[in-house]
Amino acid sequence: GAVVSQHPSWVICKSGTSVKIECRSLDFQATTMFWYRQFPKQSLMLMATSNEGSKATYEQGVEKDKFLINHASLTLSTLTVTSAHPEDSSFYICSASPPTQNYEQYFGPGTRLTVT
Amino acid sequence: QKEVEQDPGPLSVPEGAIVSLNCTYSNSAFQYFMWYRQYSRKGPELLMYTYSSGNKEDGRFTAQVDKSSKYISLFIRDSQPSDSATYLCAMGSGGGADGLTFGKGTHLIIQP
Repeated sequence: GAVVSQHPSWVICKSGTSVKIECRSLDFQATTMFWYRQFPKQSLMLMATSNEGSKATYEQGVEKDKFLINHASLTLSTLTVTSAHPEDSSFYICSASPPTQNYEQYFGPGTRLTVT
Repeated sequence: QKEVEQDPGPLSVPEGAIVSLNCTYSNSAFQYFMWYRQYSRKGPELLMYTYSSGNKEDGRFTAQVDKSSKYISLFIRDSQPSDSATYLCAMGSGGGADGLTFGKGTHLIIQP
């Protein structure tokens, strides 16, 4: 299967600071990547769709000014949580579909964010 | 009513048993269906993918889809303790350009 990586795997930050999370497709190019959030014992919830070279599309209820997404290249998307608050503490996971496997999404290992 | 319903469990079975995991959905637009396995604090791992009604088999895993009933299943044969994890069903409607809608996940425990 295709490989997606994320960095960092975990991060602790203070309230009010910003945190950047990277998502990379290692062995394929992805024009579209997705960002999900997962709270403890809850399912994955789609936050936004990241499109290379254009603006991200956010799901209803997700603040685009708080969760900045940049898809700068065909292998890299970044999610920046701005002015983080404790309620932003969660598990953030990205996914992507290889061009030849258009319907199969492969997920990164996730980034655990804790805001103190 | 949520778009995808999945019993969170936990579901505990003895080693070697056949495991049946299920999801129901309400959105007729869903056209393709996936099962993911997720270990604690890890990203989901794709197990099975299908887009048509019927059965699809891969080793010890069988995915079953019944679009008329809006019901999907994952069967695990000869279950092993290493199969203990959370199993998530996921569905999509638009191909690679659309995100997935997930069930809540079923926590499966295989007792040695």
